[in-house]
Amino acid sequence: RKEVEQDPGPFNVPEGATVAFNCTYSNSASQSFFWYRQDCRKEPKLLMSVYSSGNEDGRFTAQLNRASQYISLLIRDSKLSDSATYLCVVNWGFSGGTSYGKLTFGQGTILTVHP
Amino acid sequence: GAVVSQHPSWVICKSGTSVKIECRSLDFQATTMFWYRQFPKQSLMLMATSNEGSKATYEQGVEKDKFLINHASLTLSTLTVTSAHPEDSSFYICSARADRYTEAFFGQGTRLTVV
Repeated sequence: RKEVEQDPGPFNVPEGATVAFNCTYSNSASQSFFWYRQDCRKEPKLLMSVYSSGNEDGRFTAQLNRASQYISLLIRDSKLSDSATYLCVVNWGFSGGTSYGKLTFGQGTILTVHP
Repeated sequence: GAVVSQHPSWVICKSGTSVKIECRSLDFQATTMFWYRQFPKQSLMLMATSNEGSKATYEQGVEKDKFLINHASLTLSTLTVTSAHPEDSSFYICSARADRYTEAFFGQGTRLTVV
C-alpha cells in the first residue's frame, strides 16, 4: 500500500463547479498534513495546511479524519486558474527529539476547469 | 510565504560530468532540507533528507555516492549529481523548512538534461 494515496483523476469540471479531492495515508503516526498545488513544469506551492478541526480559506476547505486516516480538499466555485495538480502531503518520521521528519507526497490529482 | 531559491533553473551537461545544484533559504533558517526528483507526469519522489550539520538520510534505492548532498549551513544545501548519465535527466526540486511541524517551501526546481 502506498504511504499516501490519491485519486489521480483527471477531474474535468466547468467553471463554478464544486469539486472534492480525497487522500488516504497509511502511517497512523503522521503528524501534520498539507495540500500543495503544482502547475505544469513548476515547483509545488503550499495551498493550505490541514488541521484536525478542519479549516477554510476562501473557496477552499480542508478536512482531516485521523481515525480513518483520510484528508479531503473541497474547492467551491471553481475558476479557470484552479487548473493544476493538487498534491496531498503528509509529514511523519519524527525520531525522538531530532528535527528529522519527512514529507511524503501523494501522486497528485489533476484538475482541469473549463469555460 | 518564505522564499527558497534554487540554482541553476536548468542545466545541460555531457554524460560523465558532475553537476551541482544549490538550494538556499533566503529569509529563514532551514533546519531540514529535502531533495526530490520528478519525472514527467509523475509525482515528486523523495531522494534524501538532510539536517544541518549532519549526514543526509537517503531513501531506499537512491545511491548516496552518486547524489552527494551537503547541508553545511542553515541556509544552504547542495546536491551534486556525479558522473551523470542520460537516465539522470529529470526535474530536481529542493524544499526547506524551519522545523519539523511546519510546511516546507520549494525552490523553483532544476531541469537537468544529460546528453
